Order: sequence, then C-alpha cells, then structure tokens
Amino acid sequence: EIVMTQSPATLSVSPGESATLSCRASQSVSRNLAWYQQKAGLAPRLLIYGASTRATGIPARFSGSGSETEFTLTISSLQSEDFAVYYCQQYNVWPPWYTFGQGTKLEIK
Amino acid sequence: QVQLQESGPGLVKPSQTLSLTCTVSGGAISSADHYWSWIRQHPGKGPEWIGYIYYSGSTHYNPSLKSRPTISVDTSKNQFFLKMNSVTAADTAVYYCARQHRLPGAFVGFDIWGPGTMVTVSS
Repeated sequence: EIVMTQSPATLSVSPGESATLSCRASQSVSRNLAWYQQKAGLAPRLLIYGASTRATGIPARFSGSGSETEFTLTISSLQSEDFAVYYCQQYNVWPPWYTFGQGTKLEIK
Repeated sequence: QVQLQESGPGLVKPSQTLSLTCTVSGGAISSADHYWSWIRQHPGKGPEWIGYIYYSGSTHYNPSLKSRPTISVDTSKNQFFLKMNSVTAADTAVYYCARQHRLPGAFVGFDIWGPGTMVTVSS
C-alpha cells in the first residue's frame, strides 16, 4: 500500500498571504495525485488532479506541482473561504487503488 | 446537475452487516463514462476508498478491507449499494458515495460526492 504523508499537520496563515502544503508518497506515483478541500461537516471537494490540473470551477489561485514522490499545493492570496482541511490522494490506475493522506488543516493566523 | 445521496441505518450492531444505498439523481447511473465509489472517513482522519462499481456490475475493492465489502447496482432505480459484513467499532465512520470519470489509463478525481451519512457500530 502506498502511504501518503502530508505536512505540516496544521498551517497558520494570514488572509491575503500564500500557503504551501506538502504531500509525500512512500513510493513513486508518477503524477497520479489529486488534492481535495474539506470544510467541517461537508464532503471533500476536488481541486486538482494529475498533480497540476485544476478541476472544473476551481479558481486559479489554487495550483499544484510535483511528481514521483513529492507534491505541493499552493494557494495564493488566501481568501476567508480557503481555510479548511486539505487532503492529497494518490491513484493507482490499474489495478485501481486510491489512498489519501491524513490532511493539513489550514487555519487563520 | 448530478447529485448523490446516501441513506441507511445510522446504528449497526457489532458483527452485523452494514447496508447503505446511494441514490443518483440528475443523471443516469448506467452512463458508460463513470464509476461509482464508496468512500469512508473515520473521525479526524483522511478518507478511505472502499471500492467502486461500473453500471455493468464489475467491481474493484480496496485490498486492505479483505473481502468484507460488497458493492452492487440497480440501474432501474439509479442506485448503488454497499454491504459490509462483520462490522466492528473500527467501521464507525462517515460513509460517502462519489462519482469518478471512467477514462482508460487515467483518473481525474472524485468529482461529485454525496453529503455523507454517519454510521456508528455499537451494541
């Protein structure tokens, strides 16, 4: 099983600043990496797939990068609605097997 | 637009079978372009993929769950189902159903999720 490790566990940033979230895979996942945002009491929301492709309707301030084992989600010019928990997810296309990280909580500083 | 809604008992006794339904509205579950997944999330943890089904009935499961889950589909009702046997307290979680596009050799994320349903395993 590929284990996804996210850091930091909690990130405190002021509105208007940028946030950088990290995700590391225990073995190479190529660019098979997605990012989700989750607010309290709600289902996760897809932000990024293919490591860097924004999902439909996702603002340009969200950007993803990385490959193999190291990935980054950058959120520029943080808005109040961006403070949430973020999860990375790797996907093995065949046989299908998808695993998520434990999350990074982005909180207001 | 497509919406998903989970339903089922919120409380299940240990050793019994957990049974959930996901109802798809605004689109056909028999779409050739999608897989339909079950995902759960333990309190304070990251989500855990349980498995998916294609409208034809073909399935794939998370190997770490050791054959406990069974996913089925009823295209006439636009629903798919999750059964998980021999539940324990460790199966207490929020259970989500979700959609993913079926693309050969690619995965573009779980793009639509239901709101989730909390299932507690307790006597």
